[in-house]
Amino acid sequence: GQNIDQPTEMTATEGAIVQINCTYQTSGFNGLFWYQQHAGEAPTFLSYNVLDGLEEKGRFSSFLSRSKGYSYLLLKELQMKDSASYLCAVKDSNYQLIWGAGTKLIIKP
Amino acid sequence: GAVVSQHPSWVICKSGTSVKIECRSLDFQATTMFWYRQFPKQSLMLMATSNEGSKATYEQGVEKDKFLINHASLTLSTLTVTSAHPEDSSFYICSARLGQHTSGYTFGSGTRLTVV
Repeated sequence: GQNIDQPTEMTATEGAIVQINCTYQTSGFNGLFWYQQHAGEAPTFLSYNVLDGLEEKGRFSSFLSRSKGYSYLLLKELQMKDSASYLCAVKDSNYQLIWGAGTKLIIKP
Repeated sequence: GAVVSQHPSWVICKSGTSVKIECRSLDFQATTMFWYRQFPKQSLMLMATSNEGSKATYEQGVEKDKFLINHASLTLSTLTVTSAHPEDSSFYICSARLGQHTSGYTFGSGTRLTVV
């Protein structure tokens, strides 16, 4: 079956760095997405990786290792507004998005 | 950028009534629309995939007669929850596929449905 694993919840301090991991086993791979979702709102796009390596975009970076079925989202200089759920999603061989359950990130002052 | 407008943002309805949710692509043609449901503290669950001009493909366990999806044009897809019950209360989100590369999906703002 298809499976995406990410931690349920993480806590970090304002101004610090946090890494959210995602591992996946899917039928085929055509890219991995990270989305941010605030409570009661739709997800918003953060990053997309299709090749191995690190993609940096401002305070957010995303890493992918296809051989290991592994990705992480790195958030730097954490701000209170970063408190949200972070969803990892993989596009499988049918170009369907398979979603992880999301990681709730709590930022403390 | 590509925008999907979803409405209503929230709706409260009585048990047994039907509710229609609309998603419109404002500046692009959405040949494929995905409909998701999300219960509190859970991830997105794909309900169905609709392609313009053809019948929707429903995921296992989703009742096609209860969740009617219409995708009659390239800019409009609708989800109708028929004979709604309290257990249908959820957050419903549509998503359109823009292409197969980069940020290839855009989401509507979601509809919070509460059935009383």
